[in-house]
Amino acid sequence: DAGVIQSPRHEVTEMGQEVTLRCKPISGHNSLFWYRQTMMRGLELLIYFNNNVPIDDSGMPEDRFSAKMPNASFSTLKIQPSEPRDSAVYFCASSLYVRGKAEAFFGQGTRLTVV
Amino acid sequence: AQSVTQLDSHVSVSEGTPVLLRCNYSSSYSPSLFWYVQHPNKGLQLLLKYTSAATLVKGINGFEAEFKKSETSFHLTKPSAHMSDAAEYFCVVSDEAAGNKLTFGGGTRVLVKP
Repeated sequence: DAGVIQSPRHEVTEMGQEVTLRCKPISGHNSLFWYRQTMMRGLELLIYFNNNVPIDDSGMPEDRFSAKMPNASFSTLKIQPSEPRDSAVYFCASSLYVRGKAEAFFGQGTRLTVV
Repeated sequence: AQSVTQLDSHVSVSEGTPVLLRCNYSSSYSPSLFWYVQHPNKGLQLLLKYTSAATLVKGINGFEAEFKKSETSFHLTKPSAHMSDAAEYFCVVSDEAAGNKLTFGGGTRVLVKP
């Protein structure tokens, strides 16, 4: 398997524009996570899905952020409108969840810069 | 609620000397524990995991960790540091009460001096 695939790897956009980050989890995995990493705040869990259903979105910073998982092989994280403080590295991870005993595999991340 | 505390934000070691990264956790249930490594500008890679089997866990690149329930600790060690070990390391906990939500520690940045 190619692992978790994220696209794009780098994104530079202007403030106010819509940004869509994409993730393809490992085939057969049933859980998907979106994280954000910044120097100031470290790694933050934004949202996670089990079997394509959002379970916990308490980490989503505000209504400008939304995430979807229309099927088991694809997820998106959308920011609309984007702001400079959204600049960060966004990671997607997937796992095969079995009663709390499963490690997550991470993608290479998308480095987002909002100017 | 589960939580993780990494006791050192930075660790500096000389090449060839032992590495110790400390991690304490809090969990209401039997936890699963993980260590991840992140090299500069890279994603996170799993080093090792504990999921209620042997308490001494061996991982990749010569790292190992010991689960100590009485001390609620899961410290990461390596007998001899290599320059390529310079990276950030994250201790992670997960338990059934939290579904499969992973809770990350704040990270420990390791510097290896020649």
